[in-house]
Amino acid sequence: SQTIHQWPATLVQPVGSPLSLECTVEGTSNPNLYWYRQAAGRGLQLLFYSVGIGQISSEVPQNLSASRPQDRQFILSSKKLLLSDSGFYLCAWSPSPETEAFFGQGTRLTVV
Amino acid sequence: GENVEQHPSTLSVQEGDSAVIKCTYSDSASNYFPWYKQELGKRPQLIIDIRSNVGEKKDQRIAVTLNKTAKHFSLHITETQPEDSAVYFCAALGGGTYKYIFGTGTRLKVLA
Repeated sequence: SQTIHQWPATLVQPVGSPLSLECTVEGTSNPNLYWYRQAAGRGLQLLFYSVGIGQISSEVPQNLSASRPQDRQFILSSKKLLLSDSGFYLCAWSPSPETEAFFGQGTRLTVV
Repeated sequence: GENVEQHPSTLSVQEGDSAVIKCTYSDSASNYFPWYKQELGKRPQLIIDIRSNVGEKKDQRIAVTLNKTAKHFSLHITETQPEDSAVYFCAALGGGTYKYIFGTGTRLKVLA
């Protein structure tokens, strides 16, 4: 069966520090991969999506970047965090854009 | 796929009453309509979905109806229980896009 791993679960980082969140999927190949951010009490904002290795589409101009170095690995990064980067980050995968999406456990990032 | 309007943003009902959440989409090529439930601090999970060749789908106390002509679909929860309290998200997908974009969410509170 397919599983998705996302880590860490919580993270407290100072302003200006770098960020690296990792997400991996097991049990499937060529998944569509997604990164979302959710501010407190708000909706799911799509940040990046990828349909294949090295193929990254950005939805919102921001202080973040994404990479997909391997088929089932999706990384969210920042060189210098801002206070406004705080939030709940969720990685997700789907076999196709017209099927169920499966979410990782999420990373709660607090920038201080 | 893409833009979906979701209403209401918050909904409070008495335990045992019904709750209805509505989503409206603009892309007539959309053909997959999932609903996700996100409990506090948890990841969103699919609760029910419908495809464009079906007008209604039911799973115990949960049902989804689709009106393709009017381009809207609704989530119906009957005999609500306190554990139904959560944020619900809809999506309208298909039409060749790989973006998995959600509605703005509805916070449902079931009052005991």
